[in-house]
Amino acid sequence: EAQVTQNPRYLITVTGKKLTVTCSQNMNHEYMSWYRQDPGLGLRQIYYSMNVEVTDKGDVPEGYKVSRKEKRNFPLILESPSPNQTSLYFCASSSNSNQPQHFGDGTRLSIL
Amino acid sequence: QKEVEQNSGPLSVPEGAIASLNCTYSDRGSQSFFWYRQYSGKSPELIMFIYSNGDKEDGRFTAQLNKASQYVSLLIRDSQPSDSATYLCAVNGPGGSYIPTFGRGTSLIVHP
Repeated sequence: EAQVTQNPRYLITVTGKKLTVTCSQNMNHEYMSWYRQDPGLGLRQIYYSMNVEVTDKGDVPEGYKVSRKEKRNFPLILESPSPNQTSLYFCASSSNSNQPQHFGDGTRLSIL
Repeated sequence: QKEVEQNSGPLSVPEGAIASLNCTYSDRGSQSFFWYRQYSGKSPELIMFIYSNGDKEDGRFTAQLNKASQYVSLLIRDSQPSDSATYLCAVNGPGGSYIPTFGRGTSLIVHP
């Protein structure tokens, strides 16, 4: 089954404790993205990657890091999480920039 | 700054009616247009995509694109209570740019 898998689904943690949210897709897609979704603000892109070792900033990259060492994986790293990063996060992938995106089930992060 | 505007709603329609959802965008160079449905707390799922001016139909759904007027719409015929969700409009820019812009979504309520 074609899917995008994110882990964990839920996480409550404290300010400053580094965390990683993993994302993996099994569709051999070139493009992968991370979004955050906040009430009233919609979906905003954090980072994206067009291929292995190629990443670029989206609209709200501050406080986040990503890497793309393998085609299927695109982890999101919060080196020093802060409460304003409490949000619902989605990973997505697509075969190219003009194709629809497939979204993971989401990760709800709470930073205390 | 690229913008995608949607009426936040809620749009309330009776079961069996036609629901009309609208979206305007600011970037004239936009090339691909998507409608996603999102249930509360769930991930967005693709409903329709359209690239060319005119109408595109898929079952009960019709996407309409007018590039000259910079709007894209989604019609849902024979609306069902299960169609009650938030509908997100997403717009991709010209090739080489992979920062899709999402509207904030329109909440649709279909009442029996």
